Amino acid sequence: KQEVTQIPAALSVPEGENLVLNCSFTDSAIYNLQWFRQDPGKGLTSLLLIQSSQREQTSGRLNASLDKSSGRSTLYIAASQPGDSATYLCAVKASGGSYIPTFGRGTSLIVHP
Amino acid sequence: GAGVSQSPSNKVTEKGKDVELRCDPISGHTALYWYRQSLGQGLEFLIYFQGNSAPDKSGLPSDRFSAERTGGSVSTLTIQRTQQEDSAVYLCASSLASSNYGYTFGSGTRLTVV
Repeated sequence: KQEVTQIPAALSVPEGENLVLNCSFTDSAIYNLQWFRQDPGKGLTSLLLIQSSQREQTSGRLNASLDKSSGRSTLYIAASQPGDSATYLCAVKASGGSYIPTFGRGTSLIVHP
Repeated sequence: GAGVSQSPSNKVTEKGKDVELRCDPISGHTALYWYRQSLGQGLEFLIYFQGNSAPDKSGLPSDRFSAERTGGSVSTLTIQRTQQEDSAVYLCASSLASSNYGYTFGSGTRLTVV
């Protein structure tokens, strides 16, 4: 059974810092991995989708990497801003069966001015 | 539509009443998922629809929960005889049934049982 772990569970940093959020998964047989952002009481907004054949994806100040063999992905946020404050979740789509994604518990990020 | 639409956005109901939550997926998305997120908790999978196949109901917490998807599009999640522990945000997502595609979520329905 696929298990997804996100570390740290919570993070509080001053504005301007570069951040790394971690996502690890136990079964490397995946199709893709997706990073989401969730604001309090809201739905999930997709940030980046990395296919199993890719090593990284970039969007603006965000960069996500994937090392499938070691079961790890990182989300790098450059020059953090207070508006980045949210919970960040990763989801893994496992291969070989159902397309039901497995989610981590998320990293709660606070960026203070 | 352009995105996944959920209604209502907020629902307050009395304990013991039945509620219906609606999800309208992105046009053409054959896969549809329901999740529940209790306060401070992670996403709990409830049910998965794929085209005309029988849904995967393995995540439904009790027989008070049911869902249907009509015409392969709109889905309704029904909770009968609501309990206070049913209070949560109910999220719907849709996707193309392909290994390459990710998921698009709606804004959720916040259910409060009083």
